[in-house]
Amino acid sequence: ETGVTQSPTHLIKTRGQQVTLRCSSQSGHNTVSWYQQALGQGPQFIFQYYREEENGRGNFPPRFSGLQFPNYSSELNVNALELDDSALYLCASSLQGGEAFFGQGTRLTVV
Amino acid sequence: RKEVEQDPGPFNVPEGATVAFNCTYSNSASQSFFWYRQDCRKEPKLLMSVYSSGNEDGRFTAQLNRASQYISLLIRDSKLSDSATYLCVVNVGGGGNKLTFGTGTQLKVEL
Repeated sequence: ETGVTQSPTHLIKTRGQQVTLRCSSQSGHNTVSWYQQALGQGPQFIFQYYREEENGRGNFPPRFSGLQFPNYSSELNVNALELDDSALYLCASSLQGGEAFFGQGTRLTVV
Repeated sequence: RKEVEQDPGPFNVPEGATVAFNCTYSNSASQSFFWYRQDCRKEPKLLMSVYSSGNEDGRFTAQLNRASQYISLLIRDSKLSDSATYLCVVNVGGGGNKLTFGTGTQLKVEL
C-alpha cells in the first residue's frame, strides 16, 4: 500500500460530459502529479501541483484542469469528454524531488 | 521520435532464464532514471533507480550510459512472479517529479 488513494476506481461517462477525479496524497507529501495511461501505452504526464500551485504541465488541452487543496489532496477535472479520453488516470504523490508513489488509478470509460 | 523508447515485447522466457531490457531517451538534460514495474491493471511501482555506476538489487541489475542515452535492466534467474510490464522512466528535472515513461516492455515468464 502506497498510502495514495484515488476515487472512484471505475467510471463510465458519455461523450461531452464533465468528470472529476480525486486523489488523497500520502501523509506529508506536498506534490501531486496526474498521469493518463491509454491501453498499451506508458503513463503520460498531465500536470503537477506543488503547495496548491500548478508546477508544470504536459501536452494536454485546457479542458484538463486541476486543483490542489491545503491538505495536499487533489482533483483532476476533464470537460467536454471525448472518446479518446478513455484511459487509466493515475495520481502520484511525493515530496519535491522525492520518490513518486502512485495510487491504484481511476479507470475512465467514455462512451 | 518518442522521448523514451522501449521494445514493447512481449518477451516470453522460461523460468530461470536471464533477460535484458533496453531503453533509449532523447533528452540529454535528463537527470534521473528509473525502472518501474506494472502488473496488469495495477499502478506502476518503483523497481529501482538507475545510476551511471550501475546498481544491483538481488536478481536485478540496472545500468545507465549517459553518453549513449541508454538504460538497461537485467533480470537473472527469472521467476513466474516477474511476469509484468517493465517501464523505463526518465525525469528531466527542474524541480518536482515530472516523469516521462516509455511504453513498457511486457515480460512473460513460463514454466
